[in-house]
Amino acid sequence: TQLLEQSPQFLSIQEGENLTVYCNSSSVFSSLQWYRQEPGEGPVLLVTVVTGGEVKKLKRLTFQFGDARKDSSLHITAAQPGDTGLYLCAGVITSGTYKYIFGTGTRLKVLA
Amino acid sequence: KAGVTQTPRYLIKTRGQQVTLSCSPISGHRSVSWYQQTPGQGLQFLFEYFSETQRNKGNFPGRFSGRQFSNSRSEMNVSTLELGDSALYLCASKTPGGEVTEAFFGQGTRLTVV
Repeated sequence: TQLLEQSPQFLSIQEGENLTVYCNSSSVFSSLQWYRQEPGEGPVLLVTVVTGGEVKKLKRLTFQFGDARKDSSLHITAAQPGDTGLYLCAGVITSGTYKYIFGTGTRLKVLA
Repeated sequence: KAGVTQTPRYLIKTRGQQVTLSCSPISGHRSVSWYQQTPGQGLQFLFEYFSETQRNKGNFPGRFSGRQFSNSRSEMNVSTLELGDSALYLCASKTPGGEVTEAFFGQGTRLTVV
């Protein structure tokens, strides 16, 4: 079974702190996405990474794709209450049958 | 460009009934996937349709079915509803194939089974 494991599963931090969320798999991904979901809404696409070692920045969010394209990380600097939500990674596996799979999710709560 | 539209947003049904949910993808997207999300859980994959054909299927009972029409709109049906079917049902429209795939989600249909 091809899985995308995310860690930590839950994270509760104070406003202003930094955090990193990890997304790991034993499979190679041709591309990987990060999404954020707020309660009662659908996930919203934040970023897509394609190249091994790629780093993308979106304001206070930094996304990195592992060199081997099997893992990724999301780092948030100076977290704010508006960052609260469920963070999901998702990736495309094209070896064998085409599959698009989602990670297990990280639920982040930023306290004011 | 219009986003993914799911209807209805909210639905209350009784055990044993059946329900049909609708999803209109982004124009030009031929792939539509359905997911179930229960409170505090991640996304559980139901099935994916591409050009009116089911391309992938998750591990859900046969009570869950779907279809896709020639205009790429998709419907999902759940028969003989159970209390455990209460969830947020999400539809995702994907960019046309290839190694870089991005999913765009609708706001979901919140189904409550009583």
